[in-house]
Amino acid sequence: NAGVTQTPKFRVLKTGQSMTLLCAQDMNHEYMYWYRQDPGMGLRLIHYSVGEGTTAKGEVPDGYNVSRLKKQNFLLGLESAAPSQTSVYFCASSQGTTYNEQFFGPGTRLTVL
Amino acid sequence: GNSVTQMEGPVTLSEEAFLTINCTYTATGYPSLFWYVQYPGEGLQLLLKATKADDKGSNKGFEATYRKETTSFHLEKGSVQVSDSAVYFCALISGGSQGNLIFGKGTKLSVKP
Repeated sequence: NAGVTQTPKFRVLKTGQSMTLLCAQDMNHEYMYWYRQDPGMGLRLIHYSVGEGTTAKGEVPDGYNVSRLKKQNFLLGLESAAPSQTSVYFCASSQGTTYNEQFFGPGTRLTVL
Repeated sequence: GNSVTQMEGPVTLSEEAFLTINCTYTATGYPSLFWYVQYPGEGLQLLLKATKADDKGSNKGFEATYRKETTSFHLEKGSVQVSDSAVYFCALISGGSQGNLIFGKGTKLSVKP
């Protein structure tokens, strides 16, 4: 099992450009999450999904959109990138209950110039 | 609201020293508590967890006990190794939160030979 994979690993954008980050999991998990990690801030939840076809906002959703068309995939989009979106982005998946841990991907390092 | 507070880093120890990283939480109901570890350049991995009061989570020589009376979940290891150098995150999932993790800001540990 590959677990949780993320594509791409690194990306540099110019302000105003758009891009999509892809997350895939092969554990048949219902729940998927997108986080951003910034120095001194820990991880903050951007959006999450509780099942195929559903999405919900997390703590810091502004400037991002997501889609969950297939159970195994969760896409994070930036329509018009801003320097404040320079960060490391992590995807995670879980069974979704209080007791089940989340499994994380390796991360995508995004720089917006 | 729910929150996690963990000790500020960085923490620098010599090999075989005793480690404690403090973590306290605020949450409604009865959360599950987690410690995640992030090695340089990697995603987060679950280190240990506890799902009810007085539970002790343990893994790789690390331990943490769920203390409801002090709302704490301190991480300890009796003898650290250079390979334990990483960032450690305390986190919780509260009941009814759809599995959403709330993270502390992380504590960077460096172990010197």
